[in-house]
Amino acid sequence: KNEVEQSPQNLTAQEGEFITINCSYSVGISALHWLQQHPGGGIVSLFMLSSGKKKHGRLIATINIQEKHSSLHITASHPRDSAVYICAVVGNEKLTFGTGTRLTIIP
Amino acid sequence: ETGVTQTPRHLVMGMTNKKSLKCEQHLGHNAMYWYKQSAKKPLELMFVYSLEERVENNSVPSRFSPECPNSSHLFLHLHTLQPEDSALYLCASSQDFLRGQYNEQFFGPGTRLTVL
Repeated sequence: KNEVEQSPQNLTAQEGEFITINCSYSVGISALHWLQQHPGGGIVSLFMLSSGKKKHGRLIATINIQEKHSSLHITASHPRDSAVYICAVVGNEKLTFGTGTRLTIIP
Repeated sequence: ETGVTQTPRHLVMGMTNKKSLKCEQHLGHNAMYWYKQSAKKPLELMFVYSLEERVENNSVPSRFSPECPNSSHLFLHLHTLQPEDSALYLCASSQDFLRGQYNEQFFGPGTRLTVL
């Protein structure tokens, strides 16, 4: 069983919808990363957080350390947000990745 | 060239071949990383170099041999690979390496490797 679980695995939504992607983990962590991977493979780092909430443009990331859970929200979704979103945690100085959530935004 | 570049972008090799993947970062970073991404599996961190010294080696088979001649260049030497080694190999860099956090990383486009 992977130490990092993401849900849903696949998500299709209409343009403009509010999107939530979830990440749960089973170990104590010192940091959590959200990454975006576009078709073709390129990966972009979106957020690194260890507590609370961070916002960048239409993207918001939250983390609840007690519940071992993080969410990535996208407001006013757009087709260019279509990508795979990956959660990664740093626990016991080890970096572990989730399998990703494939998001498709339909115009 | 800007950011992190990787060559070649695609590579097909036989199990008896020897080949090398190259990564170059133009960001002035001190840490570089190799990742493997197999189909339907999570990203796997293979190696980390900080200031040209290897600081992480995550139980990677010896048929993968990294080399970091300077802080801007990272190589992955491949020999006697197996078909299950077919994957996307990604390079990344970060300003510094902090073991407890893994700073924000900048990724290259990857090399798609097929082992026949």
